[in-house]
Amino acid sequence: IAGITQAPTSQILAAGRRMTLRCTQDMRHNAMYWYRQDLGLGLRLIHYSNTAGTTGKGEVPDGYSVSRANTDDFPLTLASAVPSQTSVYFCASSDGQGDTGELFFGEGSRLTVL
Amino acid sequence: GQNIDQPTEMTATEGAIVQINCTYQTSGFNGLFWYQQHAGEAPTFLSYNVLDGLEEKGRFSSFLSRSKGYSYLLLKELQMKDSASYLCAVMDSNYQLIWGAGTKLIIKP
Repeated sequence: IAGITQAPTSQILAAGRRMTLRCTQDMRHNAMYWYRQDLGLGLRLIHYSNTAGTTGKGEVPDGYSVSRANTDDFPLTLASAVPSQTSVYFCASSDGQGDTGELFFGEGSRLTVL
Repeated sequence: GQNIDQPTEMTATEGAIVQINCTYQTSGFNGLFWYQQHAGEAPTFLSYNVLDGLEEKGRFSSFLSRSKGYSYLLLKELQMKDSASYLCAVMDSNYQLIWGAGTKLIIKP
């Protein structure tokens, strides 16, 4: 079944540790995104990639990095986790700009930083 | 700054109709989206409006007025499975999505 796969689905992490959230899509979408979702707030864009080999900063990029070595994979790395990074993280993809822009989301990764 | 406003929570009765409003102030406009998100799950696409007017899709309809910076999602013949959060999002002039905090819809029998 085509779609987006995220891993892990849930993780508890000690502050200061490094963590990579994985995201893979098999829809050959050009654009991919990482969002965080916190209670009472809208989805906030962390980083995005319009095509393989390019990345850009979103609304809340500090403390996070991404890479886009190929079309399918878009990992998100927390170099040194802090408690304020406790959140649910969603990876998403779309065909790209100019069309309806419908996003397809992964199931989310719930991260708790202690 | 850019802002999307929608009610935090609404309650409706099974079989009834409910309208969820969304107002926005953004830098440019390239379309408005509604997504549904069940608790603990990923958001899923419901509708897209870029021109003024009503878009109907089964039990769900979405309306847009660009001059008023206003949209609503209309859900008819409510079912228990419609209990979810409904997210309004606007694509700005840079083709970035600005998201509202979501409206939690509670359906009562």
